[in-house]
Amino acid sequence: EFVLTQSPGTLSLSPGERATLSCRASQSIDTSYFAWYLQKPGQAPRLLIYGTSFRAAGISDRISGSGSGTDFTLTIKRLEPEDVGVYYCQQYEYRGPPITFGQGTRLEIK
Amino acid sequence: EVEVVESGGGLVQPGGSLRLSCAASGFTFSDHYMDWVRQAPGKGLEWVGRTKMTPNNYIVQYAASVKGRFFISSDDSKNSLYLEMNNLKSDDTAVYFCVVEGTGEAFDHWGRGTLVTVSS
Repeated sequence: EFVLTQSPGTLSLSPGERATLSCRASQSIDTSYFAWYLQKPGQAPRLLIYGTSFRAAGISDRISGSGSGTDFTLTIKRLEPEDVGVYYCQQYEYRGPPITFGQGTRLEIK
Repeated sequence: EVEVVESGGGLVQPGGSLRLSCAASGFTFSDHYMDWVRQAPGKGLEWVGRTKMTPNNYIVQYAASVKGRFFISSDDSKNSLYLEMNNLKSDDTAVYFCVVEGTGEAFDHWGRGTLVTVSS
């Protein structure tokens, strides 16, 4: 069974700090089909990063993605209150493993 | 502006059926894969399935957890996506989101979702 495991489960940081969120796949995946989403309370998820490292339209350049194989990272520099929410990673290459989301990392701003 | 709006959610008994609809606007519906994603109360995101009409074929794919019970269809003339859910179980209780695949085939645009509650 293909699984994406995110860590940590919860991240609590102060404004201005850097957040590093991890996502590990149970098998190697194509970087062209890896994404990150942010779901704010009471809202639908929003696409942040696609193709591992490409920012979606309107996404701040404080947010960046990297990774390959089984290990992927989302970095958010200079945290702001608006960054709070749950971050999900996703594999969406339908020809390979099933389209899958990680279980989420909750980001809190102190 | 791209917009997708779900409807049809509600309370249904275990073993019952329900049909969700998604009305899309602001883009060429037939050019994009459309997906359903669900989120159980307080839980994470789960992909349900996707579809697209191509010149030579009609592509539909499902998650293993719903295959054989859920059926996705679309009507390009109405810019609408549907999710027919049968033999519903309590585990199917969730908010169901309609999603447009766009940039890099990622899940670009999401609706607000419609809540399905399976309970007696």
